[in-house]
Amino acid sequence: NAGVTQTPKFQVLKTGQSMTLQCAQDMNHEYMSWYRQDPGMGLRLIHYSVGAGITDQGEVPNGYNVSRSTTEDFPLRLLSAAPSQTSVYFCASSYSRGTSAGLSFGPGTRLLVL
Amino acid sequence: GENVEQHPSTLSVQEGDSAVIKCTYSDSASNYFPWYKQELGKRPQLIIDIRSNVGEKKDQRIAVTLNKTAKHFSLHITETQPEDSAVYFCAASITGNEKLTFGTGTRLTIIP
Repeated sequence: NAGVTQTPKFQVLKTGQSMTLQCAQDMNHEYMSWYRQDPGMGLRLIHYSVGAGITDQGEVPNGYNVSRSTTEDFPLRLLSAAPSQTSVYFCASSYSRGTSAGLSFGPGTRLLVL
Repeated sequence: GENVEQHPSTLSVQEGDSAVIKCTYSDSASNYFPWYKQELGKRPQLIIDIRSNVGEKKDQRIAVTLNKTAKHFSLHITETQPEDSAVYFCAASITGNEKLTFGTGTRLTIIP
């Protein structure tokens, strides 16, 4: 199993550009989520999904869109990049929202917006 | 929504000594409290968790305690070793992994 994979590993964008951060998992996990990690601010939830076709907002959803057309994939779209979106983005998944098996995190995508 | 505060932000301890990291949460409905460890440049990984029907849980050198009345929980690492150096995050939620709210992290440094 590859686990949770994310692409790209690193990306530089100019203000106003759009892009999609890819996330995929091969563990048949129902629950998938996106977090951003900023120095001194921990991990903040952007969007999450409890299954294909179902998504919801987290703590910091503004400027981001998600969709969940399959169980395996959960892409994160930046509509019009801003310097405030410079961050490390982690995708994470688990079997179900109620499990205590822990979130499986991807390796992260480091995004720099100029 | 849930708010999780974590202290201290940095902690240095001599190898072999104990380390304690404390977190408080705001939502009394929260009942799941995991701890994640993130080594430099790596992804966070679950090291231990506790649910609200349990006051303490141990796993070798790591233990977590929970005080629901005071709404705080703590991570205890005994006999620290150099490989314990990392950033540790506490988190809280009402429903397992769904909408986990993380603390701001503690950078633990073990001094040889």
